[in-house]
Amino acid sequence: GAVVSQHPSRVICKSGTSVKIECRSLDFQATTMFWYRQFPKQSLMLMATSNEGSKATYEQGVEKDKFLINHASLTLSTLTVTSAHPEDSSFYICSANVETQYFGPGTRLLVL
Amino acid sequence: GESVGLHLPTLSVQEGDNSIINCAYSNSASDYFIWYKQESGKGPQFIIDIRSNMDKRQGQRVTVLLNKTVKHLSLQIAATQPGDSAVYFCAENRSGAQKLVFGQGTRLTINP
Repeated sequence: GAVVSQHPSRVICKSGTSVKIECRSLDFQATTMFWYRQFPKQSLMLMATSNEGSKATYEQGVEKDKFLINHASLTLSTLTVTSAHPEDSSFYICSANVETQYFGPGTRLLVL
Repeated sequence: GESVGLHLPTLSVQEGDNSIINCAYSNSASDYFIWYKQESGKGPQFIIDIRSNMDKRQGQRVTVLLNKTVKHLSLQIAATQPGDSAVYFCAENRSGAQKLVFGQGTRLTINP
């Protein structure tokens, strides 16, 4: 299947700082990528759809000014958590479509 | 809408037995379904998919059954192995829409 990578795999930051997470499609081009958040023992919650060359589409209840998404190329989408707070601590996962949807390995964010 | 589980159903099976994981979906317009396996601390891994014009599809040690009448999907794992221990999610997709809606997940535990 298609390979999606994420970086970093784990990040710890102080409250009030911003954190950038990268999502890359390694062996294919992706005009659309997706960003999910997952809390412990829960399912994946779609945050936004990242569209190459245009604005992201955010799901209801997700603050677009807090979770900045940039999809500047066909192989890279970034999610920036701005002014992070402890409640933003979570597992962030990206995915991309190639016939079906493939997921990255996830990024564990811990905000102190 | 999305399904976010308040608790994770669990299924315990003996090593070597067959496992059956069930999923109910809500949107009758959904026409594409995927099963994912998620191990602890990792992103979801594609297992098998099925389109609504089929009611059964087989892969290596796995079979997916789709009953559109009652909006039910199941994943059968033959001869369960310790490496099958994980959380299994079903996901549904509606024709023309790229984003997936995830079920709440089932934790599969293998007893030796």
